Amino acid sequence: RKEVEQDPGPFNVPEGATVAFNCTYSNSASQSFFWYRQDCRKEPKLLMSVYSSGNEDGRFTAQLNRASQYISLLIRDSKLSDSATYLCVVNMGSAGGTSYGKLTFGQGTILTVHP
Amino acid sequence: GAGVSQSPRYKVAKRGQDVALRCDPISGHVSLFWYQQALGQGPEFLTYFQNEAQLDKSGLPSDRFFAERPEGSVSTLKIQRTQQEDSAVYLCASSLFGTVLSGANVLTFGAGSRLTVL
Repeated sequence: RKEVEQDPGPFNVPEGATVAFNCTYSNSASQSFFWYRQDCRKEPKLLMSVYSSGNEDGRFTAQLNRASQYISLLIRDSKLSDSATYLCVVNMGSAGGTSYGKLTFGQGTILTVHP
Repeated sequence: GAGVSQSPRYKVAKRGQDVALRCDPISGHVSLFWYQQALGQGPEFLTYFQNEAQLDKSGLPSDRFFAERPEGSVSTLKIQRTQQEDSAVYLCASSLFGTVLSGANVLTFGAGSRLTVL
C-alpha cells in the first residue's frame, strides 16, 4: 500500500462546477498536511495547508480527518486556470529525533476544467 | 536569490555517463531536499540536508546516487553510470527552518532538472 494514495483521475469538469479530491495516508503519526498544485512541466507549488478544523481559502476548502486518515480538497466555481495536477502531501519524516519535515507525495490528481 | 535555482534545466546523457545536477536554495534556508519525479507520478524523496549535514539519505535508490552540500548552501546531486530508469525530473526544495513543516515554514521547489538517459 502506498503511503499517500489519491485517485489519479483525470477529472474533466465544466467551468463553474464543484469538484472534490480525496486522499488517504497510511502513517497515523503524520504531523502536517498540504495540498500542492503542479502545472504541466512546472514545479509543485503550495496551494494550502490542511488543518484539523478544516480551512478555506477563497474557492478552496480543505478538510482533514485524523481518525480516518483522510484528506480532502473541494474546489468551488471551477475556473479554466484551475486545470493542473493536485498533489496530496503529508509530513511524516524524522531524523535524529527531530522531525524535519520530509514530505511524502501522492501520485497526484489531474484536473481539466473546460469551457 | 529570490527562488530556488536549479541547473541544468535539461540534461541528456548516454547510458553509463555520470551527471551532476546543481541546486541553489533560497539564501539562508537551513533545509534542503532532493526529490525525484517520474512521469505521471508524484515526487519521491531522495535525501535531506540540514545546513551541511546530510541527515537522511534513505530515498537514494542506489549507491550510484550521491548528494552533497559542503558549505550549507549550494547542493549537488551526482548520478554515476546513469541508467535509463534514472530518467526523471530531479527537484530541489528548501525551507527556512530545520523543523516540522507548517504554514510558517513553507517548502519551496525549484523548477527541476529534467534528465533523459538514452
